[in-house]
Formats: sequence, structure tokens, C-alpha cells
Amino acid sequence: ETGVTQSPTHLIKTRGQQVTLRCSSQSGHNTVSWYQQALGQGPQFIFQYYREEENGRGNFPPRFSGLQFPNYSSELNVNALELDDSALYLCASSFSSGGAYNEQFFGPGTRLTVL
Amino acid sequence: DQQVKQNSPSLSVQEGRISILNCDYTNSMFDYFLWYKKYPAEGPTFLISISSIKDKNEDGRFTVFLNKSAKHLSLHIVPSQPGDSAVYFCAASASTGSYQLTFGKGTKLSVIP
Repeated sequence: ETGVTQSPTHLIKTRGQQVTLRCSSQSGHNTVSWYQQALGQGPQFIFQYYREEENGRGNFPPRFSGLQFPNYSSELNVNALELDDSALYLCASSFSSGGAYNEQFFGPGTRLTVL
Repeated sequence: DQQVKQNSPSLSVQEGRISILNCDYTNSMFDYFLWYKKYPAEGPTFLISISSIKDKNEDGRFTVFLNKSAKHLSLHIVPSQPGDSAVYFCAASASTGSYQLTFGKGTKLSVIP
């Protein structure tokens, strides 16, 4: 069974650029959540996708957007990068059957640095 | 406004002794609580969880206690081992919407041999 994988591992961008981060869910999982972990902080929920539709969003501006594909892989896109976007971006997958919490399995993350 | 708080950034414990990590929350809608462990360069790994209908859950060396009236939970590790050295995150979820996780800032546990 393959776990959650993310690419790239590290990324350096400059302010104003756009970035796409990728996540491959664990086999059999239909839900993916993205989290941002700034230095010294806990992960903060960005949004969740279930069956290719956004299913919840945290307190992040619209320049953070996402996609989930039919094979349940996912992308996180960030436009107009700001210095404060520098963080570890974590993807978590789970299987949702409705009506109960289901364990989320995290990938190793993508470290984004904005200069 | 932090809804999940871990007030101790770090904790050092001797090998073989008990480690107690604490967590407080403010949102009354939270009804499921989890502890995650994180090593450097890895994603958080699920450790143990507890539903709000229980006040204790045990799994081997790990026990989580929940005090709903005080909005407080704790993770006990007995006996502590050097391999337990990691950052521990407390997280909470509400059974509405997306079951998103709200995390604390983490406590770095160092178990000294």
C-alpha cells in the first residue's frame, strides 16, 4: 500500500510568482485536505476536496486554490506569492463514507520558500 | 484566536519515566480529539484519538485523557523511550462539515537516555 506522496520536496519562488504543489493520495482514499504549517506553528487547514469538489475551506484568501482529479490526486495552487506564504505545505488523505471522522494520513510535505 | 492550545513548547523527560503532554481547547463544537507525532522532514503521524463520549483511551504505552468540563486533554506516555523524542501535536475536529483538523502549536518532547 502506497502512502501519501507530495512533490516537489522543496521549492524556492520569488514574491508575485505562482506555484503548484502536488499530492498523490493513499490508495483507496477519496478525500484530500491541505494544511499550511508556518515555522513554529501547528498545521493550519487550507481546504478539503471530496470527490473533486471543495468541501470546506479555512481562513485563506482566494489566491489559494485547489483541484482534485478523478484518480484522487490533488494540486494546491497559490497565486501572487507573498513572503508570508513561506511554509511547509502538508497534504492529508482519508476515506470519507459520510457522518464520521476518518483518520487523515499525511504526506511528508513541500517546503516552500518565497524570497 | 487559537482554538487549540499547547502551552508547553518543550518537555524533557528521563527514559523510563512518564511523559505528560497537555492541550486545552476553547471551541465547544469539538467532539473528536487526536494526537499526532512529527519527526523532522516527515509528515505528522497519527498516534491516538478520543471521542468526546469517552474520558480515556489507551493504546499500549499511550493514554489520552479528556476532561470536557475543563476543555482539557492530556497524553501520557509510559514508559518514555528515546524513540518517542519528536514534536507532538494536539488536534481537534467537529462533526460538522469537513471534519477539518485544528492543531495546536506542538510540544517538542525530548526523552533523555
